[in-house]
Amino acid sequence: DSGVTQTPKHLITATGQRVTLRCSPRSGDLSVYWYQQSLDQGLQFLIQYYNGEERAKGNILERFSAQQFPDLHSELNLSSLELGDSALYFCASSTEGSGRARTKNIQYFGAGTRLSVL
Amino acid sequence: GQQVMQIPQYQHVQEGEDFTTYCNSSTTLSNIQWYKQRPGGHPVFLIQLVKSGEVKKQKRLTFQFGEAKKNSSLHITATQTTDVGTYFCAGFKTGANNLFFGTGTRLTVIP
Repeated sequence: DSGVTQTPKHLITATGQRVTLRCSPRSGDLSVYWYQQSLDQGLQFLIQYYNGEERAKGNILERFSAQQFPDLHSELNLSSLELGDSALYFCASSTEGSGRARTKNIQYFGAGTRLSVL
Repeated sequence: GQQVMQIPQYQHVQEGEDFTTYCNSSTTLSNIQWYKQRPGGHPVFLIQLVKSGEVKKQKRLTFQFGEAKKNSSLHITATQTTDVGTYFCAGFKTGANNLFFGTGTRLTVIP
């Protein structure tokens, strides 16, 4: 158990809809990362938040947005869903930026949310 | 485009054979990490290398960071069925805040 919790585990929805994925980081971790993994594909970095603020942005579509709340949990919002958005969405957390050495930026992944857009 | 490439993309080996995956970055990395994702699972951290030319071992796994800090390798000696999964390298580029994950190598071990 990585200590990172993602809900829901599975999500089935229709094209054009909007969904929210939730992530609770490990206790004490300030950074949250979101990744998308399509079938047989690598990990595509979407966005990172640190202590409530956006820190780095990857290949995140304009239809997607995220935020990190004061209790450090994060939500990834996906709107106007398309068939191609079907994928596994992972959240990861790390101690990055907490004042510890940069070399301690190990990422701990949640079990993921499998999104199916029909 | 993809800036951290791994080869091979897929590898099938007979149980007991050795396996190596290579990770190459177009730019210098401040450090490199390796993760393993079992089928149906999530990536799990294996190890981190920081120094140029660093070599670390974990039982049958040997990890190496290149002298120029642009490439890395993972070698597994005498593979077992428990080694099945996808191995990802990931590195921080100097000055960047996020990890760049490699394309991954999916290992299949035939009993």
